[in-house]
Amino acid sequence: QKEVEQNSGPLSVPEGAIASLNCTYSDRVSQSFFWYRQYSGKSPELIMSIYSNGDKEDGRFTAQLNKASQYVSLLIRDSQPSDSATYLCAVVTRGSTLGRLYFGRGTQLTVWP
Amino acid sequence: NAGVTQTPKFQVLKTGQSMTLQCAQDMNHNSMYWYRQDPGMGLRLIYYSASEGTTDKGEVPNGYNVSRLNKREFSLRLESAAPSQTSVYFCASREVNYGYTFGSGTRLTVV
Repeated sequence: QKEVEQNSGPLSVPEGAIASLNCTYSDRVSQSFFWYRQYSGKSPELIMSIYSNGDKEDGRFTAQLNKASQYVSLLIRDSQPSDSATYLCAVVTRGSTLGRLYFGRGTQLTVWP
Repeated sequence: NAGVTQTPKFQVLKTGQSMTLQCAQDMNHNSMYWYRQDPGMGLRLIYYSASEGTTDKGEVPNGYNVSRLNKREFSLRLESAAPSQTSVYFCASREVNYGYTFGSGTRLTVV
């Protein structure tokens, strides 16, 4: 069972704050990790990928991976109302057929002015 | 560069009708996927294809068929639509070691 769990939402933060989104996965041999942002009524959009332990920063976004704890997170610094969306965590395991992604159910983030 | 193109964007069907959802990608990706997304259920894989001429079932294949017409195109067919197939359908393609690129989706309502 390749489960991907995300912290239950919704998450609400004020503008300018740090939003922290968390994800755990059950398959210990998982090797690729992705964060998608999905605005209401739109398709998921890839915003971050991370493959090795540690932090990866891209602008206001930081992805953190800890394979020993089977944990991946996304930090959004200086949150803006335009960051309000559902964030999906996705994982590829070493044994994934055809490299398919396994998705969490998403965390809804609201950034209020 | 259009990425992944899905048609139609919206569709209303009557129970028992059939239709085909079209998907095409221009990124030369080998792998293509069809997902459905329902409130509270997340993204669920219907079918996928590793390459032209090969397809495999995902988690929820019942009531659907697919065709990988060539490397670019991967279509999803509903032979006899049911209200339970009311959903948002996404096509995606993937390059090895990267994430999916999604199409814009098809909102299907079966009445």
